[in-house]
Amino acid sequence: AQTVTQSQPEMSVQEAETVTLSCTYDTSESDYYLFWYKQPPSRQMILVIRQEAYKQQNATENRFSVNFQKAAKSFSLKISDSQLGDAAMYFCAYRSSYNAGNMLTFGGGTRLMVKP
Amino acid sequence: EPEVTQTPSHQVTQMGQEVILRCVPISNHLYFYWYRQILGQKVEFLVSFYNNEISEKSEIFDDQFSVERPDGSNFTLKIRSTKLEDSAMYFCASRHETGTDTQYFGPGTRLTVL
Repeated sequence: AQTVTQSQPEMSVQEAETVTLSCTYDTSESDYYLFWYKQPPSRQMILVIRQEAYKQQNATENRFSVNFQKAAKSFSLKISDSQLGDAAMYFCAYRSSYNAGNMLTFGGGTRLMVKP
Repeated sequence: EPEVTQTPSHQVTQMGQEVILRCVPISNHLYFYWYRQILGQKVEFLVSFYNNEISEKSEIFDDQFSVERPDGSNFTLKIRSTKLEDSAMYFCASRHETGTDTQYFGPGTRLTVL
């Protein structure tokens, strides 16, 4: 079974600065997808960014980018120019390409605080 | 922008009672999911549903749980006899069959079992 680990329960960043959230995963599969979801206090999970394992190029979405290291099984999220609205729980998630249900396996989350 | 909706936002029930949590997935989506998040813990997969049947379920999804798509728009999770440990946020998600495989989540239902 796959596991996802987020080693930072909490992170703090100054507004306008850059922060990196860590995620590692364990899998024996070669084809899979990785996601970062944001969960603000309203609790709704919002997709931030996704990465296909077969793509070497790191995904980028505006101020959000990832550092995908397939050999190291690492998938970190970088938030540039942090804004107060970025404060939330961030979950890293893994999705196999092989299981029929395409379920997501989540990490434990990192709470990001943004200081004005 | 279309979104997944869930009702109710908060459900309080007595232990042993049956509850039904409701979800309206995005209209052209064909894959449906339930996840739960016990307070302070990880989001956990419960079940996935496609073509009117369960495609995958976790160990958590035992005989007390069932899912149904009673009509063309709703997707429900039923817990037959609730236990204290069923208290959690329950999230519904849906995914389109083709194109992006992103799962879109609803706002969740907070279930409190007393």
